[in-house]
Amino acid sequence: KQEVTQIPAALSVPEGENLVLNCSFTDSAIYNLQWFRQDPGKGLTSLLLIQSSQREQTSGRLNASLDKSSGRSTLYIAASQPGDSATYLCAHNAGNNRKLIWGLGTSLAVNP
Amino acid sequence: DAGVIQSPRHEVTEMGQEVTLRCKPISGHNSLFWYRQTMMRGLELLIYFNNNVPIDDSGMPEDRFSAKMPNASFSTLKIQPSEPRDSAVYFCASSLDKGYNEQFFGPGTRLTVL
Repeated sequence: KQEVTQIPAALSVPEGENLVLNCSFTDSAIYNLQWFRQDPGKGLTSLLLIQSSQREQTSGRLNASLDKSSGRSTLYIAASQPGDSATYLCAHNAGNNRKLIWGLGTSLAVNP
Repeated sequence: DAGVIQSPRHEVTEMGQEVTLRCKPISGHNSLFWYRQTMMRGLELLIYFNNNVPIDDSGMPEDRFSAKMPNASFSTLKIQPSEPRDSAVYFCASSLDKGYNEQFFGPGTRLTVL
């Protein structure tokens, strides 16, 4: 069974700290991987998409990496801000299947 | 572009009533996904369409749930009859099927069945 695991489930850090969120997956036939952000009571916002042929993607203070051989992706957030507080989810699809396999998310709190 | 549009945003109904959720995907996108999110189970894919055709409905929990996509710009998810355990947030997402399959989500419909 394909699985996606996100560790830690919850994280609390002081403002300004650099942090790393982890996502591991069991499917070696990954096609691409997406990181999403979800604010409480809101929908999901796509942050970054990494294709299987890529190693990383960057957007502003966010950097996502992908290591297919180890089945891992990380989301690095630089100089965290209280506005970064949200739940971060990773998901991937396998082969050219449009269906995403989801992790349960990491709930991040950045304290001022 | 307005993004994925869902209606209603909130729905409160009584057990046994029919519920219809609506979704308008991003113009030009040809894949549409219905998800359900609960605290206990996280995000679950219910069904997805490609070019208006249902491709995978293995996540639809039971016959009380049905989904249609009569055209490229509209889809419905219907629950009949509704039960309290159907209470959840239902999301619609769409993607452009050009290899990357990046999904874009609507704001969701929060359903409460009393």
